[in-house]
Amino acid sequence: AQSVTQLGSHVSVSEGALVLLRCNYSSSVPPYLFWYVQYPNQGLQLLLKYTSAATLVKGINGFEAEFKKSETSFHLTKPSAHMSDAAEYFCAVSASGGYQKVTFGTGTKLQVIP
Amino acid sequence: GAVVSQHPSWVICKSGTSVKIECRSLDFQATTMFWYRQFPKQSLMLMATSNEGSKATYEQGVEKDKFLINHASLTLSTLTVTSAHPEDSSFYICSARDRERGNHNEQFFGPGTRLTVL
Repeated sequence: AQSVTQLGSHVSVSEGALVLLRCNYSSSVPPYLFWYVQYPNQGLQLLLKYTSAATLVKGINGFEAEFKKSETSFHLTKPSAHMSDAAEYFCAVSASGGYQKVTFGTGTKLQVIP
Repeated sequence: GAVVSQHPSWVICKSGTSVKIECRSLDFQATTMFWYRQFPKQSLMLMATSNEGSKATYEQGVEKDKFLINHASLTLSTLTVTSAHPEDSSFYICSARDRERGNHNEQFFGPGTRLTVL
């Protein structure tokens, strides 16, 4: 069984400030972890993924996330927020190995204040 | 690469009619496609997993006779909402798993279909 908890359904940051979106996971086996972004009325786009290689994962648009097994966390960060980062972000988990079901978190809406 | 399209992007229909939504992988072969439903300001709810050439696997609580899924080829899956009612109004999103990259469980998502049942 696996689950994902995203702390904070809404996060507001000023343009240029650090973005930190929190994700904690639960998995009975080694996990794969994902961050997706969704813009209004669109599907989801993969930002980055952890698949048991490097624990610090770099993704698109300047985002990165660090897998911390001891904390069961996979928080998403970006040093400097842009207005275009405003969107909904979903953390997701699957068991490691191929062809596993993916479980999504409830999402965090990021607001960027000019 | 890894583009998934959905058609239509939005549809309005009368209660009692059926609506078909197509999901296509444009530049890769998808052995597995997934159908999700997303309510406003909520996460994605997996409805069913569709494997090419076999019957779809539905999640608990999803009526398979109401949400018919067909995955006839490696690039096309369809979801038909039969006898639609207003409570079926939602945003339906499909995703596909690349046959060549399935080992990482990465899914590529379509842009979604907004269904409104009057």
